Amino acid sequence: AQKITQTQPGMFVQEKEAVTLDCTYDTSDPSYGLFWYKQPSSGEMIFLIYQGSYDQQNATEGRYSLNFQKARKSANLVISASQLGDSAMYFCAMREEVAGSYQLTFGKGTKLSVIP
Amino acid sequence: EAQVTQNPRYLITVTGKKLTVTCSQNMNHEYMSWYRQDPGLGLRQIYYSMNVEVTDKGDVPEGYKVSRKEKRNFPLILESPSPNQTSLYFCASSRFGTSTDTQYFGPGTRLTVL
Repeated sequence: AQKITQTQPGMFVQEKEAVTLDCTYDTSDPSYGLFWYKQPSSGEMIFLIYQGSYDQQNATEGRYSLNFQKARKSANLVISASQLGDSAMYFCAMREEVAGSYQLTFGKGTKLSVIP
Repeated sequence: EAQVTQNPRYLITVTGKKLTVTCSQNMNHEYMSWYRQDPGLGLRQIYYSMNVEVTDKGDVPEGYKVSRKEKRNFPLILESPSPNQTSLYFCASSRFGTSTDTQYFGPGTRLTVL
């Protein structure tokens, strides 16, 4: 089974509108971290937001917020007031302990296109 | 500015010619890691290092070597590159190697092996 599932290969959003990018995860470890990264066409991987498994409140960073539903094992990214510069690939990732390693496991990504 | 740097950013080489991709971070992070990103396969970890002189294999270590002689540097070495190592490579670092530490990525190195 995939550890990170992003079911939306591509999405379109109108400029200034809000958009939700879906992410579900699978783990039996009680301690884990959930991360969202943005990858523009230039290729770099930019960290956006983090949610810890023990965090009671949803994380927010400027226009980004994470809708964390632990029982459903979902960690959706919400981008408010979309801008043209938000057009990029977005990756959900989870970090957990596996055999002494703490690597990130990434989903396959969602390509977001912001329409003027 | 806190950052992870990689060099070179772009490299075209030929099969069998040894190359090194450098990675450096100025955040005093203990954990460093190398990933490769390929279409359809996503990001996969090559090697990681929990601290100086401590390195371990990730998911796809074959054909690669690393070393961690200093805290800030974590070079990736391809002793005899082959075309299947054509990929986008990322170096990343985090303060510690735990599940709650954010990994920050370098700008990436696009490698083409002919």
